[in-house]
Amino acid sequence: ETGVTQTPRHLVMGMTNKKSLKCEQHLGHNAMYWYKQSAKKPLELMFVYSLEERVENNSVPSRFSPECPNSSHLFLHLHTLQPEDSALYLCASSQNGRQQFFGPGTRLTVL
Amino acid sequence: GENVEQHPSTLSVQEGDSAVIKCTYSDSASNYFPWYKQELGKGPQLIIDIRSNVGEKKDQRIAVTLNKTAKHFSLHITETQPEDSAVYFCAASIGGYQKVTFGTGTKLQVIP
Repeated sequence: ETGVTQTPRHLVMGMTNKKSLKCEQHLGHNAMYWYKQSAKKPLELMFVYSLEERVENNSVPSRFSPECPNSSHLFLHLHTLQPEDSALYLCASSQNGRQQFFGPGTRLTVL
Repeated sequence: GENVEQHPSTLSVQEGDSAVIKCTYSDSASNYFPWYKQELGKGPQLIIDIRSNVGEKKDQRIAVTLNKTAKHFSLHITETQPEDSAVYFCAASIGGYQKVTFGTGTKLQVIP
């Protein structure tokens, strides 16, 4: 497996469920990102981790909780989501803040 | 913060014709402008980028122009092919690559 991978690719969950999205990068990069992509809206940066420390948190509701256990893995823990949280969640990585490489995304539907 | 506007939202061209997508940005401190292509079921991929100290950059059929005074930048695709069909995003960032503000995207359809 090369590049940036994300699992699962599709997720349907109820508002009371707890689930996690996983991202793994195989590029040796030192920064990882979570973005939210909704229809008709720009990509929204949610979180940035650099060298495993969170350096950016763009006023994201606490029902989204990121975790970066090492430089290759990034998680997004989800709990008590709302229907408006349904979107494509994209993970990206970069080296020293250079070009970002994106994964294929997880399509999340909240019922 | 930075605000990036992108037009048009959809664009249909005949194969072989040129396509132009335009963006404007609000923060004059922005100095890096990447363009991404997103195909169905995939994440965005960088196709070309330009820094503020350059007015134009070209890579085969793709070119980007930047007008710092007007805070405009544009993507030009010549001799379009069906595989160019995708959603294209412009973006702007200040002081490097890390924090990038994206436009709303242009869905390009190339008709064979």
